[in-house]
Amino acid sequence: KAGVTQTPRYLIKTRGQQVTLSCSPISGHRSVSWYQQTPGQGLQFLFEYFSETQRNKGNFPGRFSGRQFSNSRSEMNVSTLELGDSALYLCASSLSTGSSTEAFFGQGTRLTVV
Amino acid sequence: GENVEQHPSTLSVQEGDSAVIKCTYSDSASNYFPWYKQELGKRPQLIIDIRSNVGEKKDQRIAVTLNKTAKHFSLHITETQPEDSAVYFCAASIRLRMGGSQGNLIFGKGTKLSVKP
Repeated sequence: KAGVTQTPRYLIKTRGQQVTLSCSPISGHRSVSWYQQTPGQGLQFLFEYFSETQRNKGNFPGRFSGRQFSNSRSEMNVSTLELGDSALYLCASSLSTGSSTEAFFGQGTRLTVV
Repeated sequence: GENVEQHPSTLSVQEGDSAVIKCTYSDSASNYFPWYKQELGKRPQLIIDIRSNVGEKKDQRIAVTLNKTAKHFSLHITETQPEDSAVYFCAASIRLRMGGSQGNLIFGKGTKLSVKP
């Protein structure tokens, strides 16, 4: 069974640009969540999608957005990049039934803003 | 919203000793508490989790305890080994009994555990 796949693995962007990150969940998983990981702040929740609907949102500015497609694949977009957006972006998928709750993480996309 | 505090931020133990990491949460509605281990350069991986209807759970050398009244939970690792060295994250979330999604894990800031041989 393939795990959670994130592309690309590494990205270098310039301030002011925008970027789109992709996450393919484990087959059958309908929930996809995104997290930003930085050395100082740890893992911070960005948003969660379930069946193409955003169900939860963290405390990030509107420059961070996402969407989920009918095949459960998800994309995250960051517009007008700032230096502080440099981080590891992780997505996690879960089956999200009453008995199954484990979130499986992808390898992440390392974004560097210069 | 939920806030999770985790202590200590770093922990160094001798091989064979026990390690304890503690977390507190703020939202009494949280009912699911996983612990993740992240080795350097790798993805976080679930090592154990506990639901709010259980006070303790064990899996070999790892155990988690939960005190709902005090809103804190702890990870206990016994007989530590060098391969236990990693960053450990606690998290809290709300899981709906009938399924559907509440996938917003709120994490603590992590504990870097070093096990010295």
